[in-house]
This record gives sequence, structure tokens and C-alpha cells, in this order.
Amino acid sequence: QKEVEQDPGPLSVPEGAIVSLNCTYSNSAFQYFMWYRQYSRKGPELLMYTYSSGNKEDGRFTAQVDKSSKYISLFIRDSQPSDSATYLCAMSYSGNTPLVFGKGTRLSVIA
Amino acid sequence: DVKVTQSSRYLVKRTGEKVFLECVQDMDHENMFWYRQDPGLGLRLIYFSYDVKMKEKGDIPEGYSVSREKKERFSLILESASTNQTSMYLCASSFFQGARETQYFGPGTRLLVL
Repeated sequence: QKEVEQDPGPLSVPEGAIVSLNCTYSNSAFQYFMWYRQYSRKGPELLMYTYSSGNKEDGRFTAQVDKSSKYISLFIRDSQPSDSATYLCAMSYSGNTPLVFGKGTRLSVIA
Repeated sequence: DVKVTQSSRYLVKRTGEKVFLECVQDMDHENMFWYRQDPGLGLRLIYFSYDVKMKEKGDIPEGYSVSREKKERFSLILESASTNQTSMYLCASSFFQGARETQYFGPGTRLLVL
């Protein structure tokens, strides 16, 4: 079993839809959880960061962590064509270990 | 604004050539990373460095070496390029290895080995 599982998609939604992106993981020692966004032919950029369980909101984006289920989610409200990108989840055990990335989900928001 | 730059956006090399990929960051970050990204396989860590002249193997170090002579510069070396090293190579830097500080990525180098 891979440490971090993420459905690669592609996921195609109409503009204005609510998007749900998810990752599951196997190691309960993960404590730090991130979502990166990667536009085509660019490097990933950090979108959201969460420590341990709970929710975090930033504008149209909400990150959720459920450590009991080993499941993290990213919700995008009122999705826009500019949200079309690949979204990668990432996590780490502590502040001193490298990140473990999911394979990424490719999202297309259609105008 | 944090900047991580990579020496080339696109590179074409022949099998057996020695290939150097350079990465420079301008934020005085201690930690630097090299990943490769392949369709269906995601981001895989090749090597990372937490200080000048220090290096640690990542998940797929075979066929690669690295050099960090200065804090701002981290080089990835393919001693004898092979076709299975055709990939997108991404460099990143951060203050901490994990998540307490975000990793900043460069734009990537697309390497084609013929």
C-alpha cells in the first residue's frame, strides 16, 4: 500500500461548482498536511497548510484533516476556470522530515 | 518574493552524457531538494540537503549525485544519462525539512534523453 493515495482524475466540473479533492494515507504518524497547486509547465505552489486535525479556510478554499480516518480533503467553492490545475496533497511526520506527496489530481473547470 | 531558479527549462541530451542541473535560491534557505515528476508516479524525492556540503538520499537516488558547495546553489548530476531519466526535474528550498516552513519550487527542467 502506498503511503499517500490520491485519485489522479482528471476531474472536470462546470464553473461555479463545489470541488472536493481527497487523499488517504496509511501512516498515522503524519502530522503536517498541505495542498499544493501546480499549473501546467510550472512548479507546485503551496495553497493550504494544516497541522493535525481540523479545518482551515482561506477564501474559496477549505482544507480538512480527519486523522481518525486518515483522510484529508480540499474543497473549492465557486470554482473558476483559473482553478484548472493539478492539485497535490503532501504530508510529513514532523518539522524535520521530507514531505511525502500524493500523485496529484488534475482538475479542469469549464466556463 | 522568494525565487527558486533552475538553469534550463528544456534540455535534450544523449545517452551516456554527463548532465548538470543547477538550482539557485535567493532566500538564504538551509534546505534544498531535488525531485523528479513523472505521469502516474507523481513527485519523487531524489536527494536533499540541509546544509552546505551535506546531502541525504531520497527515495530514488540511483543514477544521480548532488553537490552543494554554496548555500544558495544545489546541483543535480546525472553521471551517465539514460533514457529512463527522461523526466521533469523540480528543485525546491525551505527553511525546515518538513512542513513548518513551506517548500518553494522552481519552474522545473524538462529533460529528454535520446
